[in-house]
Amino acid sequence: IVLTQSPGTLSLSPGERATLSCRASQSITSRFLTWYQQKPGQAPRLLIYGASSRATGVPDRFSGSGSGTDFTLIISGLQPEDFAVYYCQQYDASPPGYAFGQGTKLEIK
Amino acid sequence: QVQLQESGPGLVKPSETLSLTCTVSAGSLSGYYWSWIRQPPGEGLEWIGYIYHSGSTTYNPSLESRVTISLDTSKNQLSLKLTSVTAADTATYYCARDYWQRLGGSSWAYYGLDVWGQGTTVTVSS
Repeated sequence: IVLTQSPGTLSLSPGERATLSCRASQSITSRFLTWYQQKPGQAPRLLIYGASSRATGVPDRFSGSGSGTDFTLIISGLQPEDFAVYYCQQYDASPPGYAFGQGTKLEIK
Repeated sequence: QVQLQESGPGLVKPSETLSLTCTVSAGSLSGYYWSWIRQPPGEGLEWIGYIYHSGSTTYNPSLESRVTISLDTSKNQLSLKLTSVTAADTATYYCARDYWQRLGGSSWAYYGLDVWGQGTTVTVSS
C-alpha cells in the first residue's frame, strides 16, 4: 500500500487552519493510521494514532479524521511551533509492516 | 520516562556492515515491539523492521535480505545490522518504541511509534 500526502508544501500564516491529506492506494484500517510531526534536526513525534486519537500531550488544535483511503490532519489556529514536516504512517498485515507517506512541509507564509 | 539512545559508527565503508545499538533506559523491552526507521538526508522516513520482546522479527521486504534486528535483554538494548552497505544507506537511523496492545484473541490496538531516540547519522563512504 502506498500513502500519498498532499500538498507537498503548505504555506500558511500563524492563526490559520491547516488541512493535510493522506491518501492510501487501497482501503486501510483506520485504527492503524498514525500521524507524526518532525521539526528540523529532531526525531519525529507521535501526534495522532488510530486516525483520530491524540497522543499524550498533543494540543487539541490537532485533529485527525478519515476512513478507507482518505485521511486528514487538521491543525486549527496555527502556532509558530507547528511549522514542521508531517508524515502519515500505516500498518499493513499482508505483508506485515509499515509504510510512511512522503511528508507535507508546513511552512510560514 | 523511557528514553532511547542510538549509538554506533558514524562512517561505514561501502560493502561493509552497518551496526547500531539502541539503549533503552527507564523502561523495559518487555511487552513492546521495537522498530528501526531511517531517513536519508533531506528525504522522508523509511521503516526498516521491528522486533517483539519475544525476539520475533519483521523486516521491510526491500531490505530483508540485508537486515538483522536483535535484542539483548540483559543490557536492555536492541541492535541493527545492515550488510553490504552502499551510499544509498547513508541516513539518520532512529530506534522507536512501537506500542501495540493485545485486546484479546487475534485483535490488537496500535498506538503508534510513541517514543523515539534522537537518531544517529551514518555515512557510507570510502
